[in-house]
Amino acid sequence: KNEVEQSPQNLTAQEGEFITINCSYSVGISALHWLQQHPGGGIVSLFMLSSGKKKHGRLIATINIQEKHSSLHITASHPRDSAVYICAVSLGGNQFYFGTGTSLTVIP
Amino acid sequence: KAGVTQTPRYLIKTRGQQVTLSCSPISGHRSVSWYQQTPGQGLQFLFEYFSETQRNKGNFPGRFSGRQFSNSRSEMNVSTLELGDSALYLCASSHGTAGNTIYFGEGSWLTVV
Repeated sequence: KNEVEQSPQNLTAQEGEFITINCSYSVGISALHWLQQHPGGGIVSLFMLSSGKKKHGRLIATINIQEKHSSLHITASHPRDSAVYICAVSLGGNQFYFGTGTSLTVIP
Repeated sequence: KAGVTQTPRYLIKTRGQQVTLSCSPISGHRSVSWYQQTPGQGLQFLFEYFSETQRNKGNFPGRFSGRQFSNSRSEMNVSTLELGDSALYLCASSHGTAGNTIYFGEGSWLTVV
């Protein structure tokens, strides 16, 4: 049983395309995080959401608490956006259930 | 400001041995959490410490343990290593209150042979 479902698993886009990654979860959460992982292992937290929408540069994250669904959008994608994007739901503190990740490749 | 530091970065151990991994959080952060990442299971939560007390624990056997010191540095220990313990072990720190951003270390790559 997967508490967090993420789609798609793999995504290839041309530079400049608009990208959407989806995350659905089945448990009650205190917050949802979008994480970015580059080859080599390091993880960066992009967003933490408990409601509504947040925007950082070309990245936008939304969450619908009633529908238990979140999306990460990348506008005007760039090759440097190539990474694995992971949805993580917090049960409290830093105890997370993680999605399986979306591997994004942006081709110049 | 220095980030989250994990040591060692890479290590190879033999089945049956034990291993200790170290994590130094960002200065001022009181919460340290540990995660295991494998190709098969993905990322899984191990445990979280806050002010030297274990606050949350994931679903891992008792061979996996941890502790946090008064300076917030944390260690995790895996005893009686199994081949399946080969993984990237990630540590993360935060202030530990609701709404805080979490910061990850680069991880410790453990190979069990």
